[in-house]
Amino acid sequence: EAQVTQNPRYLITVTGKKLTVTCSQNMNHEYMSWYRQDPGLGLRQIYYSMNVEVTDKGDVPEGYKVSRKEKRNFPLILESPSPNQTSLYFCASTDYQTRAQYFGPGTRLLVL
Amino acid sequence: DAKTTQPPSMDCAEGRAANLPCNHSTISGNEYVYWYRQIHSQGPQYIIHGLKNNETNEMASLIITEDRKSSTLILPHATLRDTAVYYCIAPGAGSYQLTFGKGTKLSVIP
Repeated sequence: EAQVTQNPRYLITVTGKKLTVTCSQNMNHEYMSWYRQDPGLGLRQIYYSMNVEVTDKGDVPEGYKVSRKEKRNFPLILESPSPNQTSLYFCASTDYQTRAQYFGPGTRLLVL
Repeated sequence: DAKTTQPPSMDCAEGRAANLPCNHSTISGNEYVYWYRQIHSQGPQYIIHGLKNNETNEMASLIITEDRKSSTLILPHATLRDTAVYYCIAPGAGSYQLTFGKGTKLSVIP
């Protein structure tokens, strides 16, 4: 089954403790991206990657890092999380031909 | 991205067709229109997209006006599971970036 998976699905952490949210897709898509969703602000893009070793900032990249060492994986790294990064995070991968995006189930993060 | 305008909310009776409108009067000739939906805090789900011709798939139909300034997503027989926020998006030609607006909250009523 074609899918995007994220782990963990829920995470509670404390300020400053580094964490990584993993994202994996099995559709051989080159383009992947990360979004965060906050009440009243909708979905906003954090980072995206056009291909392996090619990443770029989205609309709200501050406080986040990403890496793309393999086509299927696109982890999101919070080196020093802060409470304002409490949010619902989605990973997505995009079909090159149709440009349709396929989203993961989401990771709900609470930073205390 | 072309700006899109959608009504904030709509109701639809279960079993009836749900017709969700979207205005995109500034869309350029080679910009596609995409529809996604998000069921309460789940990941957004791709539904359908089109350029100028009407499109249909197993989930929905997309009707685009001839002048391409508006479109309508049609769910032919709405069920309770279709209750969701529906987003109409027109990313720039060749762009992979999606800008989500507020969408239309569709409530399917028994």
